Amino acid sequence: GENVEQHPSTLSVQEGDSAVIKCTYSDSASNYFPWYKQELGKRPQLIIDIRSNVGEKKDQRIAVTLNKTAKHFSLHITETQPEDSAVYFCAASINQAGTALIFGKGTTLSVSS
Amino acid sequence: GAVVSQHPSRVICKSGTSVKIECRSLDFQATTMFWYRQFPKQSLMLMATSNEGSKATYEQGVEKDKFLINHASLTLSTLTVTSAHPEDSSFYICSAGLAGAYNEQFFGPGTRLTVL
Repeated sequence: GENVEQHPSTLSVQEGDSAVIKCTYSDSASNYFPWYKQELGKRPQLIIDIRSNVGEKKDQRIAVTLNKTAKHFSLHITETQPEDSAVYFCAASINQAGTALIFGKGTTLSVSS
Repeated sequence: GAVVSQHPSRVICKSGTSVKIECRSLDFQATTMFWYRQFPKQSLMLMATSNEGSKATYEQGVEKDKFLINHASLTLSTLTVTSAHPEDSSFYICSAGLAGAYNEQFFGPGTRLTVL
């Protein structure tokens, strides 16, 4: 089955700096890669996702890159703000309704002002 | 957008009792729903995949007789934790996706279970 590795487990940055979180996956059949932000005690919120027919996707300060050959994808947050502090999870699955997401272990991002 | 609700949001029970958690898709039909468990400071671990009108598919290591899942309609799946013990204390989250769509999933708000 699919296995998703995520690094780093914790990341501390100063406000305004960039943050990068990296994930690798094992199943070459996976072609859907979402990123979720989770605040303490709350549900995961989808912040961006990418499908395997594109290499990069951007939404304001957030971008995701995908390298299918190397089986890794990354989340980039620019101009970080204190409200970006949360736990971020990457996930992978086959891009088909009804398929479970397999999550990485999460990255705790702390942005200090 | 697609909304998923869960009830209750938190429950405290005594060891040995059973607890039922409901997951509802409020504005869409969900052929498949997923149940995850999240321990403090850990990731979401898939417990089972729930398909409407059929038996759930459980992940390895998840006891199907302890975690009963019923998906009786296209908008409701329930998870019953039977004979709960303190080690079952966790955050239980369900998710659902839109039928026929890509695999974007919408998560419920979660249920905090504490077993005394």
